[in-house]
Amino acid sequence: DTAVSQTPKYLVTQMGNDKSIKCEQNLGHDTMYWYKQDSKKFLKIMFSYNNKELIINETVPNRFSPKSPDKAHLNLHINSLELGDSAVYFCASSQNRGTYGYTFGSGTRLTVV
Amino acid sequence: GQQVMQIPQYQHVQEGEDFTTYCNSSTTLSNIQWYKQRPGGHPVFLIQLVKSGEVKKQKRLTFQFGEAKKNSSLHITATQTTDVGTYFCALDGSSNTGKLIFGQGTTLQVKP
Repeated sequence: DTAVSQTPKYLVTQMGNDKSIKCEQNLGHDTMYWYKQDSKKFLKIMFSYNNKELIINETVPNRFSPKSPDKAHLNLHINSLELGDSAVYFCASSQNRGTYGYTFGSGTRLTVV
Repeated sequence: GQQVMQIPQYQHVQEGEDFTTYCNSSTTLSNIQWYKQRPGGHPVFLIQLVKSGEVKKQKRLTFQFGEAKKNSSLHITATQTTDVGTYFCALDGSSNTGKLIFGQGTTLQVKP
């Protein structure tokens, strides 16, 4: 049983396209996150939702729009993809706003060509 | 904003040697977490340290939180090839939002 699952695992797309990444957690956690990991493995938070409410919105281009239809799901939609968006995007969840650590999904490797 | 410096960036060791990675913050931390990411994998939570001077062990891994709660270390005794990966420390970046700020990571290579 996968705790945090995200799809797709790989995404190759052309510049200018719009794409979505989906994330679901079955842990009953109340907080979900999107992190971006660049080629140097640096992990940077993008967004966080707590019980469907946006609580963290870092300095991210507004081409990125998260959506949380319920507390078990957090999706990421990206408009007008650019070369610099190529990275691995990780979804994560936690209980009690991270007090007991995050559980990460397996990641989506996005390549923009 | 809050930042954490993690060193070294890379470490190559012979199997059986010890390994240590360090995290340093300019501000006092409420807690610090450690994660391991295997090559091609995702970060996996290892442990959280909360108390000043805390030391916790997980088999060959020893985690320490400094007395001033501004630094932390992860020490691996007698490394094995299964220890290969990137080790991240992470700190609580803001009050009560769960935002974790990750260190730059230390990538460990173990030669058999």
